[in-house]
Amino acid sequence: AQKVTQAQTEISVVEKEDVTLDCVYETRDTTYYLFWYKQPPSGELVFLIRRNSFDEQNEISGRYSWNFQKSTSSFNFTITASQVVDSAVYFCALSGSFNAGNQFYFGTGTSLTVIP
Amino acid sequence: DARVTQTPRHKVTEMGQEVTMRCQPILGHNTVFWYRQTMMQGLELLAYFRNRAPLDDSGMPKDRFSAEMPDATLATLKIQPSEPRDSAVYFCASGLVLDSSYNEQFFGPGTRLTVL
Repeated sequence: AQKVTQAQTEISVVEKEDVTLDCVYETRDTTYYLFWYKQPPSGELVFLIRRNSFDEQNEISGRYSWNFQKSTSSFNFTITASQVVDSAVYFCALSGSFNAGNQFYFGTGTSLTVIP
Repeated sequence: DARVTQTPRHKVTEMGQEVTMRCQPILGHNTVFWYRQTMMQGLELLAYFRNRAPLDDSGMPKDRFSAEMPDATLATLKIQPSEPRDSAVYFCASGLVLDSSYNEQFFGPGTRLTVL
C-alpha cells in the first residue's frame, strides 16, 4: 500500500526562524518518486521538488532544502530563515508504480504560518 | 510558460443542476488527473487518464460524476445532478510519463464549485 503521512497539521514560526516539515512514506515499490508541493493562499498547487528513490543526496535550493532518508522512509523539507511569503500549505506526495499510471499519493498537508 | 488551464474558475449552481468543468493540459503531456480538495477530505484523486484512455476512476461517485477526454487538448469532468456535498475545489493536473519515469504533475488553478 502506498501512503504518505504528514503528522504536523499546523506550524507557526516567527519570521527568520528555520522550520522543518516532516514527511514519512510507505511503499512496496523499489523505484518510486517523492515530491513536495506548495499551496499558497491563492490556491494553486506549485511544484517544488522531485526526488527519485535511488538518489539520497540532500538538495538545496536557496532557502529550501530537502533531506531524503530511505532508512527511515522520510523526505523532510526545511525552510531556512523563513519569510512571510512562505506561509502556505505544503504537501508531500509519493508516486505510485508505473503500471498505476503515475498516480500520486498525497499527504494531508502541513499549514505553515510565518509571523512577521 | 506552459500551464494547465481550467474553466470556469468559479461556479455557483443550484442543487440538481449539471456542472461541467474543463481542463486543457500542457501540450505534450500524456497523463491527466482530476482531484477534488475539501477541508475535510484533503486532496482526493477522482480519475486519471493516460494517452486519453481512462486508467482509473474509482475515486468518483459513478452515479453522478463522469470524466472524459474528447481529445488530447481537452479533459472534462461532469456532475449530474450536482449536490451540496459536491462543493469543493476541483483541480486538473497533467504530466508526462515516459517508459518508467515518474514525472511531476503540474496543476491548474482549480475550479471552485459551490452547490446551493
